[in-house]
Amino acid sequence: TQLLEQSPQFLSIQEGENLTVYCNSSSVFSSLQWYRQEPGEGPVLLVTVVTGGEVKKLKRLTFQFGDARKDSSLHITAAQPGDTGLYLCAGALSSGGGADGLTFGKGTHLIIQP
Amino acid sequence: NAGVMQNPRHLVRRRGQEARLRCSPMKGHSHVYWYRQLPEEGLKFMVYLQKENIIDESGMPKERFSAEFPKEGPSILRIQQVVRGDSAAYFCASSETRNTEAFFGQGTRLTVV
Repeated sequence: TQLLEQSPQFLSIQEGENLTVYCNSSSVFSSLQWYRQEPGEGPVLLVTVVTGGEVKKLKRLTFQFGDARKDSSLHITAAQPGDTGLYLCAGALSSGGGADGLTFGKGTHLIIQP
Repeated sequence: NAGVMQNPRHLVRRRGQEARLRCSPMKGHSHVYWYRQLPEEGLKFMVYLQKENIIDESGMPKERFSAEFPKEGPSILRIQQVVRGDSAAYFCASSETRNTEAFFGQGTRLTVV
């Protein structure tokens, strides 16, 4: 069974601080997706990383895929209250962006206090 | 272009009743995926369907659960004889092809009392 471990489980920081959350597995994935989910809503795809060592930036968010394609990190610079939410990583067996058989981590609950 | 529409948003069923969850994919999307999110657990894949066909049902419980995606109309996830352990949020996602971005709906929160 493929498992994705996300850490930390909970993180509460002040507005303006930087943070990094992690997604680790003992399995190799063809691609890894990061989602953000707000209470009462469905997950929203932020990015898909495919190549080992790949780095993608989305405004203040930086996503990195490990060289061995087993782990990933999300770094947020100068966090804003609007960044509050549940951040999920999901490993895919295919390199595309589909949602077939994704393995999700339990997520990191992030709270940014004004 | 409306997003993925799921209804109902909230569903309460007594033990032993049937639950029917509906998912209308985005326009132009013919691939549908169902996931279940239990309290304090991550999203778990259940089933992947493409119009009229079940492509991957490796995550579906062997009993009481079934899914369909007819030629016309929404995809349906059906749970027969519900038990308390079925209480969860059920999410549907759709994509244009198997390898393009999938969009999730807002989910149906099922409560079994």
